[in-house]
Amino acid sequence: NAGVMQNPRHLVRRRGQEARLRCSPMKGHSHVYWYRQLPEEGLKFMVYLQKENIIDESGMPKERFSAEFPKEGPSILRIQQVVRGDSAAYFCASSPLVNYGYTFGSGTRLTVV
Amino acid sequence: ELKVEQNPLFLSMQEGKNYTIYCNYSTTSDRLYWYRQDPGKSLESLFVLLSNGAVKQEGRLMASLDTKARLSTLHITAAVHDLSATYFCAVDPNTGNQFYFGTGTSLTVIP
Repeated sequence: NAGVMQNPRHLVRRRGQEARLRCSPMKGHSHVYWYRQLPEEGLKFMVYLQKENIIDESGMPKERFSAEFPKEGPSILRIQQVVRGDSAAYFCASSPLVNYGYTFGSGTRLTVV
Repeated sequence: ELKVEQNPLFLSMQEGKNYTIYCNYSTTSDRLYWYRQDPGKSLESLFVLLSNGAVKQEGRLMASLDTKARLSTLHITAAVHDLSATYFCAVDPNTGNQFYFGTGTSLTVIP
């Protein structure tokens, strides 16, 4: 079992560009969560998805951020028109069931220059 | 919003010493998780505590949960350098939607 796979590991974008972060959950896991970690801080929830459905996006900024988890393929976190404040580590986690522990991916470190 | 506070935020301790990290949270929950994060790495699950009075031990680390006091502790016994990392607690408020993470405790074990 390959675990939760995130790519890319590191991503550099100029201000105003788009960033696409990918997450393939563990085999058999249909629940995907995205968290953001700012430098020297804990993780903050962004969005919770199941296949083809957004269950809870209460942690997502209202503008420029979107997430999807299509029937086929990885979950995508998309950030449009990135700004310096978007620089952070973005972690994806997956779970086979609700109210079950997470397995985290290795994260994508986004740097906006 | 559920608040999760850890203390201390920074901890420097000598090898061989004992210490406790505290995790307080602001709402009722009987599910609490401890994670370890090495610099630039992902989060590694250490303990899952699912009921009041739960105690789990692995090597030099022991975690406990008191749901009435809304408090979890992570006790380090006879610290070694390999334990240097940042430790996070995370509370699951039983909604199934998200965990609330503490701010982390950065532990440095000095030889």
